[in-house]
Amino acid sequence: GGIITQTPKFLIGQEGQKLTLKCQQNFNHDTMYWYRQDSGKGLRLIYYSITENDLQKGDLSEGYDASREKKSSFSLTVTSAQKNEMAVFLCASSIDSFSNERLFFGHGTKLSVL
Amino acid sequence: GDSVTQTEGPVTVSESESLIINCTYSATSIAYPNLFWYVRYPGEGLQLLLKVITAGQKGSSRGFEATYNKETTSFHLQKASVQESDSAVYYCALGDDGGTGANTGKLTFGHGTILRVHP
Repeated sequence: GGIITQTPKFLIGQEGQKLTLKCQQNFNHDTMYWYRQDSGKGLRLIYYSITENDLQKGDLSEGYDASREKKSSFSLTVTSAQKNEMAVFLCASSIDSFSNERLFFGHGTKLSVL
Repeated sequence: GDSVTQTEGPVTVSESESLIINCTYSATSIAYPNLFWYVRYPGEGLQLLLKVITAGQKGSSRGFEATYNKETTSFHLQKASVQESDSAVYYCALGDDGGTGANTGKLTFGHGTILRVHP
């Protein structure tokens, strides 16, 4: 079986700071996703990528950048952290983007902004 | 836009009791929605519980069942007799069939329902 590894597990930032979250998968999956979860809310898609060097905006892409330089990795950058922001960022991958096969998720990165 | 609404939690039940977690969806941009239940057990990552891609069909896994009802736009999760190990957060999700290539397999999730099962 494969695994999705997100780093760091916890991220504490300052207001206005640029913060980068990393995700690695060894499933050899084509498609990778970044979701954000706020307390009491559903997961919202920030960015996804259907192949290396591809980027597609989700519903919540404003304020974020993403990078897919390798098939196995997908990073997300918070361009300017907002004061008192708290959320969990979940990375996921799937075999491809067209069969709607199941997503495999990492354990998440918990962000807190002071 | 597309949306998923599910039972507000936490839901607390005793072991061996029956369970239903409601899920209704609105798929305004998807012609043939696929429906999912994902689950996150304590200390683990989110994982697929069951999936149904055809209206009228039922999916089942680990004793849980859900039927894709296109008429009522619902996909309720049920289990006849829960166990303490079922305590987790359950997410209903809506996806596109991807057949047209115009959309991808990205999912729209509900807010999650915390289930607590007491021994």
